[in-house]
Amino acid sequence: IAGITQAPTSQILAAGRRMTLRCTQDMRHNAMYWYRQDLGLGLRLIHYSNTAGTTGKGEVPEGYSLTRAPTDEYPLTLASAGPSQTSVYFCASSDSGGRGTDTQYFGPGTRLTVL
Amino acid sequence: GQNIDQPTEMTATEGAIVQINCTYQTSGFNGLFWYQQHAGEAPTFLSYNVLDGLEEKGRFSSFLSRSKGYSYLLLKELQMKDSASYLCAVKDGDYKLSFGAGTTVTVRA
Repeated sequence: IAGITQAPTSQILAAGRRMTLRCTQDMRHNAMYWYRQDLGLGLRLIHYSNTAGTTGKGEVPEGYSLTRAPTDEYPLTLASAGPSQTSVYFCASSDSGGRGTDTQYFGPGTRLTVL
Repeated sequence: GQNIDQPTEMTATEGAIVQINCTYQTSGFNGLFWYQQHAGEAPTFLSYNVLDGLEEKGRFSSFLSRSKGYSYLLLKELQMKDSASYLCAVKDGDYKLSFGAGTTVTVRA
């Protein structure tokens, strides 16, 4: 693999079910991020993490849980999915872990529909 | 909160020039990014500005004025493949990028 991969590509889920979105990067980047993208709202940060152990909540953290072990994986879990979590989810990573330019590179996204 | 504004849509003719403006009001500033996103695909990095002035990269240029909270992305010699959404994003801390809603550019033949 090269870059960032996400799985699944798309998923339709019944409300109340548990779902884990997977994200893997092979660029040895320090920092990883999860965003959701909704029509008219743009990309909004859910959570971020770096290999030094720094984690933080973004703009829309509620309803999601995350782990970062091993360091090239960053799965996002919806413990009990709700219709408001219908969205396109993008995982991203960056090299500097916050320092300097620290350009973020995005995975191909997961389209999640919660009915 | 963060406030990043950019026009919703723009239309231009193949071979022309289009300028996408972005204004921002954020609690901090650590640089401004422009990303391109084709429909159904991931955002891809275009440019980064942290100091005032113009950064040129081929057909694309990006300008920043920190005192005015203003940036623009200039697309020259438009091609059909430039039809996409263009996202303005401000790095307002060590990690966080705050994005505008995006500008959809349609290039017509």
